[in-house]
This record gives sequence, structure tokens and C-alpha cells, in this order.
Amino acid sequence: AQKVTQAQTEISVVEKEDVTLDCVYETRDTTYYLFWYKQPPSGELVFLIRRNSFDEQNEISGRYSWNFQKSTSSFNFTITASQVVDSAVYFCALSEAYTNAGKSTFGDGTTLTVKP
Amino acid sequence: GAVVSQHPSWVICKSGTSVKIECRSLDFQATTMFWYRQFPKQSLMLMATSNEGSKATYEQGVEKDKFLINHASLTLSTLTVTSAHPEDSSFYICSALLASSYEQYFGPGTRLTVT
Repeated sequence: AQKVTQAQTEISVVEKEDVTLDCVYETRDTTYYLFWYKQPPSGELVFLIRRNSFDEQNEISGRYSWNFQKSTSSFNFTITASQVVDSAVYFCALSEAYTNAGKSTFGDGTTLTVKP
Repeated sequence: GAVVSQHPSWVICKSGTSVKIECRSLDFQATTMFWYRQFPKQSLMLMATSNEGSKATYEQGVEKDKFLINHASLTLSTLTVTSAHPEDSSFYICSALLASSYEQYFGPGTRLTVT
């Protein structure tokens, strides 16, 4: 069975601070996908990143960066110089690869509040 | 990226009635679609896998007779909540799998309120 743990339920920071959202996962699969999604109050999921299990390279996209550590089964997400618009619920998710890629297991989410 | 739509975006129905939610892949064909449910301030939970031309596969604990899924075409899957009750009030989100890349695209969700 797959499991995703986001230990931080809520995080509150002041604008321009850096913030890291933690994600730890469990799976018996050797090939899998990891995801991060943003869910603003409207409810629509915003895709942020997908990482294949065999690709441990860290990724940076603007103010966002992701650190994938297979040895510790973690896939952490850092927002640099946070902004008020970053306030949302962030979900880490895990899925099997290939034809079962749509069967995702989500963490409980981290609610990020960025104060001006 | 590919686009998935849902209709309606929100619906209010009376207890005991049935409501149908549509999920469409607008610019690609999807042999496999998925239905998730999200209760307020909770995570998304996979309900079922919808396969074009065959029966849906339901996750443990999901009543297949209550949540009817039909995937009659490569671009449309429907979820019908039969005899809805207030505890069925939730945010229902579908996704479609782009087979060429195994990428999953989510719809915008449908908020169901049963009174």
C-alpha cells in the first residue's frame, strides 16, 4: 500500500520568507511518480511538478524548488521569497507508474498562509 | 497542457434525488479516467477508475451501486450519485490520463450539496 505523509498541517510565514513543505512517502513499487499540487480556495488543483522515481535531480522553477531524496523517501518543496498569492493548500501525491499513473495517493495537505 | 472539464461546477439537490456529474477531456482521448472525492478540509481520496467500454473499478469502501460510473466514449465519463444524502455532500474531482505520457490532468471539480 502507498502512503504519503505531510506532517505540517499548517504553516504561517511573513511575505518574503522562505518556506519548506515536507513530504515523506511509502511505496513498494520500484517505479513511481511523485507530485506536488496547489489548491487555492477555488478548489481547482494546480499541477506544480511530477517527478519520476528514477530521476533524483533537484528541480528549480522560478521561486519553487524541489528536493527528492530517495534514500529518505522524501520529496520536499521550497518556496523562496514567499508571496501572499502563495497562500493555499499544498498536496504531495504519489502514484504508480505508467498505466496506473492516475491512481494517486494524496497526503493530507499543508495549509500555507503568507502574511503581508 | 491538456484540458479536462467538469459539469456542473456546483450543484444543490434534495435528499433522495440523483445527480449526474460529467467529466470531459477536451483535447485528447482518455481510455482511463479517475474520480476523486474531497470532504471539507480533507485530502483527496480516489473513488474509482473509469475505463472506456468496460466496468469501473471501485476502491475499497466505495459503494458501486450508489456511485454509478459510465465511460461510454473516449472523452466522457459520468458519475451519478444515486439517492443522494447530506453525507454525500463533497467536492468531486475527476482526472483523465493521457496515455502517451502517463500524465494525469485534473478537472476543476464539482461541488455537490445535498439538502
